Amino acid sequence: AQKITQTQPGMFVQEKEAVTLDCTYDTSDPSYGLFWYKQPSSGEMIFLIYQGSYDQQNATEGRYSLNFQKARKSANLVISASQLGDSAMYFCAMREVSALRGSARQLTFGSGTQLTVLP
Amino acid sequence: EPEVTQTPSHQVTQMGQEVILRCVPISNHLYFYWYRQILGQKVEFLVSFYNNEISEKSEIFDDQFSVERPDGSNFTLKIRSTKLEDSAMYFCASMPNRSGGRRAFFGQGTRLTVV
Repeated sequence: AQKITQTQPGMFVQEKEAVTLDCTYDTSDPSYGLFWYKQPSSGEMIFLIYQGSYDQQNATEGRYSLNFQKARKSANLVISASQLGDSAMYFCAMREVSALRGSARQLTFGSGTQLTVLP
Repeated sequence: EPEVTQTPSHQVTQMGQEVILRCVPISNHLYFYWYRQILGQKVEFLVSFYNNEISEKSEIFDDQFSVERPDGSNFTLKIRSTKLEDSAMYFCASMPNRSGGRRAFFGQGTRLTVV
């Protein structure tokens, strides 16, 4: 079963508009973290935002916010006031927290959403 | 902001050759990872490394792969006999600790092309 599902292979948004990129996840661990990364055409992975499973409030980082709905197991990224430079691939990822001492679990990534911002 | 540094940025190698990808994690970090991304596909976990040993590895990380941290600063991924399907972007990542370090810091990647 897919642990991270991104159902939108591609999205278009008009400059200055808001856009929501969907992400659903699957885990039985009570403790986990959810991440969004941006990958421009140059290839590097740029961290955008983090949400912990126990965080009471939705995470925000500038124009990025995470719409965390724990019961639905969704962690959608909202980008407000889109800019041309936001055009990139966006990956949702999850890290489950291992109960093993000294173990920091790896990130599991979704398949990504290619966002294109139109002028 | 501190950076994870990877070298080289691009590597072209002939099938069957050994290749070593190098990474310098952030200096006070304790957890290290290699991921790969085949062109147009998702990022896949290869291996994690902590306390000078492998913590976890994926099915992709077979006997052709190895990692080491020879001098306390570099973290290397070796592919012994490269195959065409090893062509991918390889990312190194590091984290400071298990609980406080929520975020994995990624290097800029090494694009490996096997011909």
